[in-house]
Amino acid sequence: GAVVSQHPSWVICKSGTSVKIECRSLDFQATTMFWYRQFPKQSLMLMATSNEGSKATYEQGVEKDKFLINHASLTLSTLTVTSAHPEDSSFYICSCQQGAVSNQPQHFGDGTRLSIL
Amino acid sequence: QKEVEQDPGPLSVPEGAIVSLNCTYSNSAFQYFMWYRQYSRKGPELLMYTYSSGNKEDGRFTAQVDKSSKYISLFIRDSQPSDSATYLCAMSANQFYFGTGTSLTVIP
Repeated sequence: GAVVSQHPSWVICKSGTSVKIECRSLDFQATTMFWYRQFPKQSLMLMATSNEGSKATYEQGVEKDKFLINHASLTLSTLTVTSAHPEDSSFYICSCQQGAVSNQPQHFGDGTRLSIL
Repeated sequence: QKEVEQDPGPLSVPEGAIVSLNCTYSNSAFQYFMWYRQYSRKGPELLMYTYSSGNKEDGRFTAQVDKSSKYISLFIRDSQPSDSATYLCAMSANQFYFGTGTSLTVIP
């Protein structure tokens, strides 16, 4: 149980392109979803937290107009990197949590490797 | 002081060894403790989830929480090359905090 699907797993695109990443909870309802960024050999860096039907809460330093998050249903959240540039190249990982409190573990997708040329 | 401290390693052990991975924390409000395993270029996978102090065993894995010392551990018995990965501790009160991860290599 607790399967999270993230798509695509790898994307390469030209600078200036917008890229959409999907995160789906397959066998449970995810009231809360999280988006992380991870640089090589570093830990997870939380970008934003989203609750179904509400606007996402972004961490300090994360541009909300650059990283658009939509959590339209209890099983789907999307992250759109708008007008991506080489510095946006990174490994993006989503996670899903049942319930809106922290007594449930997060379940992670397999990540999306984004390369901007 | 960071909320959660974890030695990044790297840690190298021979196959069959017992591995001990540890995290310390500063916030006494943490009540839920997790261990995740992350293979290269993959998302973290939940291994163990425990509440408050005590031990929890699942196959070759044992999670231990000592709230009085603000210290958690993950033990891996009979380690296998397939256990080679980065192990992240995590804990929560009203939000989640992750350790930086310990890189483990099990040598055949």
